[in-house]
Order: sequence, then structure tokens, then C-alpha cells
Amino acid sequence: DIQMTQSPSSLSASVGDRVTITCQASQDISNYLNWYQQKPGKAPKLLIYDASNLQTGVPSRFSGSGSGTDFTFTISSLQPEDIATYYCQQYDIVPLAFGQGTRLEIK
Amino acid sequence: QVQLVESGGGVVQPGRSLRLSCAASGFILSNYGMHWVRQAPGKGLEWVAVISYDGSNKFYADSMRGRFTISRDNSKNTLYLQMNSLRAEDTAVYYCARALGVTYVFDIWGQGTMVTVSS
Repeated sequence: DIQMTQSPSSLSASVGDRVTITCQASQDISNYLNWYQQKPGKAPKLLIYDASNLQTGVPSRFSGSGSGTDFTFTISSLQPEDIATYYCQQYDIVPLAFGQGTRLEIK
Repeated sequence: QVQLVESGGGVVQPGRSLRLSCAASGFILSNYGMHWVRQAPGKGLEWVAVISYDGSNKFYADSMRGRFTISRDNSKNTLYLQMNSLRAEDTAVYYCARALGVTYVFDIWGQGTMVTVSS
């Protein structure tokens, strides 16, 4: 099974900051990597698919990059409404796997 | 609008069974693969199972295989998850999710239904 290691597990940043989260796969997953945002008490929301494609309707301050085993998720200018937990997810091989999540807080 | 609504959660004793439903609206369910994903209280997301658009292919997470069964009734626009031999560690919010295109990208999620396994 593929393991997804996300870091950091929590992050505190100020409004306007650039925020970066990394996700590492235990083996090559090409670009079969997605990023989701989950706010407390809500279902996850797709932000980025296939490593770097922005889902329709998602603000352009969100972006993703990477391929193979190493991936990065970036918020270019943190907004108050971005407070949430972020998850990466691989879908190269079943069983699908999520990273353990990164909890983002405002400083 | 495009929507998924789960139901069927509740409190159940260890070893008992429960069936979850996920009603789709605003789109034709038979055009999409569908998944179940769960989240234990205070924990991360865990993939449970997938079923192909026509029900011909199903895959499960290792810890659920043999106990959980995913199925669908496209005529009713409804997805199901039959959960047998429930354990305390199955306590979680269960989400159904639609797969984008022919991928395993979850583009639409339900609001979730809580399952609590406790004596």
C-alpha cells in the first residue's frame, strides 16, 4: 500500500503570508495527487486535482505542484477564510490513501 | 443543484449491522463511480470503498474487506454501504463522494452521517 506523509501537521501563519504544505508518497504516483480543504464540521472540498489543476471555482491563490513522490500545496496570500485542515490524497493505486492532514491556523 | 445526502447512521452495538444510504440529486448517478470515505472523531480521512458506475467493479480498504459491502441502485439514484460485524473502531462520520470523470478524484461530497459503535 502507498503511504502519504504530509508536513507539517499544524501550521500558524498571518493573513497575507505565503503558506506551503508538502506531501510525500512512499512510491512514485506520477501526478495522481489531489488536495482537499476541510473546515470544522464540514465535508472536505476539492481544491487541486492531478497535482496542479485548480478545481473550478477555487480561488487562484491556491496552487499545487510536483510529480513522482514529492508534492507541494501553496496558498499565495493567506486569507481568514482559509482556516481549515488540508489533506493530500493519492489515487494511483487502490487502496486510495490520504495524508494525515495539516491544520492551518491564523497567527 | 448537484447534491449527495447520506442517511442511516446511528448508534449500534458491536457485532451488529447497519446500512448507510447516499441519495444523489442534480446529476445522473449511473454516469459516475462512487466512493465511501470515513473520518473517526478528531482524526483524518480514511478511504473505505469504491464502486464503478455500473456496479461491476468494487474495491475495499483492507480493514473493511469482508465486513463492508458497497452497492448501488442507479434506478433510484442511490448508493449504499452495508456494514456488518461492526467494531468500536468503525465509529466515524461516513461520507459518500462522487468520482470526477473516470478518475478517483472526489469532486462532490455529502454532508456525512455519524455511525457510533458502542455497547
